[in-house]
Amino acid sequence: QLQLQESGPGLVKASQTLSLTCSVSGTSVSNYYWTWIRQSPGKGLEWIGFVYYTGITNYAPSLKSRVTISVDTSRNQLSLKLTSLTAADTAVYFCARLTAGAGCDSWGRGTLVTVSS
Amino acid sequence: SYVLTQPPSVSVAPGQTARITCGGNNIGSQSVHWYQQKPGQAPVLVVYGDSDRPSGIPERFSGSNSGNTATLTISRVEAGDEADYSCQVWESSSDQVVFGGGTKLTVL
Repeated sequence: QLQLQESGPGLVKASQTLSLTCSVSGTSVSNYYWTWIRQSPGKGLEWIGFVYYTGITNYAPSLKSRVTISVDTSRNQLSLKLTSLTAADTAVYFCARLTAGAGCDSWGRGTLVTVSS
Repeated sequence: SYVLTQPPSVSVAPGQTARITCGGNNIGSQSVHWYQQKPGQAPVLVVYGDSDRPSGIPERFSGSNSGNTATLTISRVEAGDEADYSCQVWESSSDQVVFGGGTKLTVL
């Protein structure tokens, strides 16, 4: 059974860099796309970007200058780095498996990140 | 960039049919996926590829997609269906993933 688990700091300071990890179990990260999505309090889902196991990435235009997503096939993990944080980056961050024909078919439980001033 | 538009809220009485729309330019040419999200939980895929259901999703959930509108239909609505519903596409020309703003379904 495919499981995803996000991990990282729950509280980060403004202007700093957020680093999150998503550990994948039940399948190899190889041969799939993986994505990060966030949800600000009371708001809808916002796509951040995706990575293919080969390292190919694509990012949301609004975040492209600040975000890096990578995959580590040896650890079966993906990671997210988001720089120059502001309060607007406070959100629950989800990782998910992304498929062309079936959308995001498996999600992690999400991790709340609060950016403090 | 590609935009998906959903109504902020839909209300329906138990046992009735709820229809949640997702508008986008020529969305009928895209593959649309729908998610259900209850408070404090991760989204759950309820319809993929316009009209297919993952295993474990009741037949009461169905989808359609044509022209500029995709629709999620929930038949015989139950109290447990009360949740936020979001549509999503992987827009082919830009290779971007796009979510609609979400619709809160209230069961009266």
